[in-house]
Amino acid sequence: AQTVTQSQPEMSVQEAETVTLSCTYDTSESDYYLFWYKQPPSRQMILVIRQEAYKQQNATENRFSVNFQKAAKSFSLKISDSQLGDAAMYFCALNQAGTALIFGKGTTLSVSS
Amino acid sequence: GAGVSQSPRYKVAKRGQDVALRCDPISGHVSLFWYQQALGQGPEFLTYFQNEAQLDKSGLPSDRFFAERPEGSVSTLKIQRTQQEDSAVYLCASSLVSGGHADTQYFGPGTRLTVL
Repeated sequence: AQTVTQSQPEMSVQEAETVTLSCTYDTSESDYYLFWYKQPPSRQMILVIRQEAYKQQNATENRFSVNFQKAAKSFSLKISDSQLGDAAMYFCALNQAGTALIFGKGTTLSVSS
Repeated sequence: GAGVSQSPRYKVAKRGQDVALRCDPISGHVSLFWYQQALGQGPEFLTYFQNEAQLDKSGLPSDRFFAERPEGSVSTLKIQRTQQEDSAVYLCASSLVSGGHADTQYFGPGTRLTVL
């Protein structure tokens, strides 16, 4: 069975600072994809960043980057220069091509000015 | 272009009523997924379509749940004889194709179902 674990229910960060959200996963598949999604309060889930397991290079999208450690089955998200608009629930997710996403329980990120 | 849309956004049902939730995927998207999200939790898979074919319905919690996508575009999730435990947000997601980079799933705003 595939699982995704987010061990930090809540995190907080000050504006302009950097924060890292943790995610570990378990899968027996060799080819898979990892995602971070953001879900603001009462708003829809949007994709933050995506990583293909066969790629060794860590994905980056502007202020968002990941630290993908395949052997350790770890996939953390780093948010640099945090902004008030980054406040949301963040979900780590895993799938194989054409299959449903397996989500973690989420981390609620609060950003203070 | 337009994203995934869902209607209604909010639905209140009395226990025992039937409800129908609609999902309009992004135009041209082949794959469509339904997820159920309980309050404060991550979404959980319900069912998956590729075009009009329902390829996986292993996540449907009971035979009261039924989904269809008859013409390979709009999908409807129907819940019969609703129970209080059915209260949740129902999310729909679509992806362009199955496999490869275009496999990224894009989510709709969800339908919040409350069963009294």
